[in-house]
Amino acid sequence: AQSVTQPDIHITVSEGASLELRCNYSYGATPYLFWYVQSPGQGLQLLLKYFSGDTLVQGIKGFEAEFKRSQSSFNLRKPSVHWSDAAEYFCAASFTGTASKLTFGTGTRLQVTL
Amino acid sequence: NAGVTQTPKFRVLKTGQSMTLLCAQDMNHEYMYWYRQDPGMGLRLIHYSVGEGTTAKGEVPDGYNVSRLKKQNFLLGLESAAPSQTSVYFCASSTGTIRYEQYFGPGTRLTVT
Repeated sequence: AQSVTQPDIHITVSEGASLELRCNYSYGATPYLFWYVQSPGQGLQLLLKYFSGDTLVQGIKGFEAEFKRSQSSFNLRKPSVHWSDAAEYFCAASFTGTASKLTFGTGTRLQVTL
Repeated sequence: NAGVTQTPKFRVLKTGQSMTLLCAQDMNHEYMYWYRQDPGMGLRLIHYSVGEGTTAKGEVPDGYNVSRLKKQNFLLGLESAAPSQTSVYFCASSTGTIRYEQYFGPGTRLTVT
């Protein structure tokens, strides 16, 4: 079955430190991959997406993600975290022939300490 | 351009009561989706629609019904609410082309006592 795994439930980083959030998928072919962010009490906002081509994709708010086919991973990174980045982050995948439905990971909650 | 809106924002129901959640989008999107979000479980797809007059089951459809009578609206109904349906419900819409993102509403927090 198609699945998306985010192994880290909760991560704490200091402001100014670098960040990497992990995401792995399980599927026979390369899915379409997305990272969404959810601030407290809000809906989800798209950070970035990957379909094909360059495996390093840039998104909004200074985030980037790298697709690694050999590891079935799509990890999210940011060089320097700001306190306003504290939120929950969801990795999601859409698989061909599924009416563009998204399969979500369980999310990683990011806490930023000052 | 309001994007995706959801009504109501909060609701408390007693077990066995019924209610309808309304999702509206003004982006002329073909596809619409209903998800529920529970702690530690991410978002799970309840039902979705690939166009006006069509609906289909998602991952967790039991206890819910949906209707898409107009392209811009997608209704989620609970006929007999249960405490297990306490959750935050999100509606989303998309063009239907897999390359394009889903746009999410602000959510409805439902508590069933």
